[in-house]
Amino acid sequence: SQQGEEDPQALSIQEGENATMNCSYKTSINNLQWYRQNSGRGLVHLILIRSNEREKHSGRLRVTLDTSKKSSSLLITASRAADTASYFCATDGGYSTLTFGKGTMLLVSP
Amino acid sequence: GAVVSQHPSWVICKSGTSVKIECRSLDFQATTMFWYRQFPKQSLMLMATSNEGSKATYEQGVEKDKFLINHASLTLSTLTVTSAHPEDSSFYICSARVQADTQYFGPGTRLTVL
Repeated sequence: SQQGEEDPQALSIQEGENATMNCSYKTSINNLQWYRQNSGRGLVHLILIRSNEREKHSGRLRVTLDTSKKSSSLLITASRAADTASYFCATDGGYSTLTFGKGTMLLVSP
Repeated sequence: GAVVSQHPSWVICKSGTSVKIECRSLDFQATTMFWYRQFPKQSLMLMATSNEGSKATYEQGVEKDKFLINHASLTLSTLTVTSAHPEDSSFYICSARVQADTQYFGPGTRLTVL
């Protein structure tokens, strides 16, 4: 069943701007992961944040996790045209199976 | 890093035929692989968990007799779509678990059933 719900469904920004995507989920989790998917391609793992962590950074990516609100956000700073893709959050409830959200389509215009 | 491949990358078949999709872990062994399907502009839906040397575990609503999964070795899992119909047309993606909470995804296979 779909657990993660991302918003917005679509986001269009200019190069250099920041992009923020949000993800909400319903049940308790072991960790939450963010993935990127270019059109018609496989998934690329971006970052994993565990349930006992609140914030994590990786390059231009910043992920936050609020387990009390059952929500997470992904911030991409100084976006580039190459960041254009769909972004999915996925929750791991502790059984190592992932439940994916519906995704956010990000378009970064030059 | 861990690399997962899928073959074929795309396939077109006639209704009623069977199609086999391979998922290989190229530089590591994977006791557990996962199969997902993704409809256009939608999210990934887990179909089944494939365990080496044992029967796959299917998610609710996935027909095990239609989607046959075999995980005969630590580097290969196959998904066979039997008696394919147009509604089976989709993007099928596999992943392999490396560590307890890390999965590496294949590039996907686009299946079109005419």
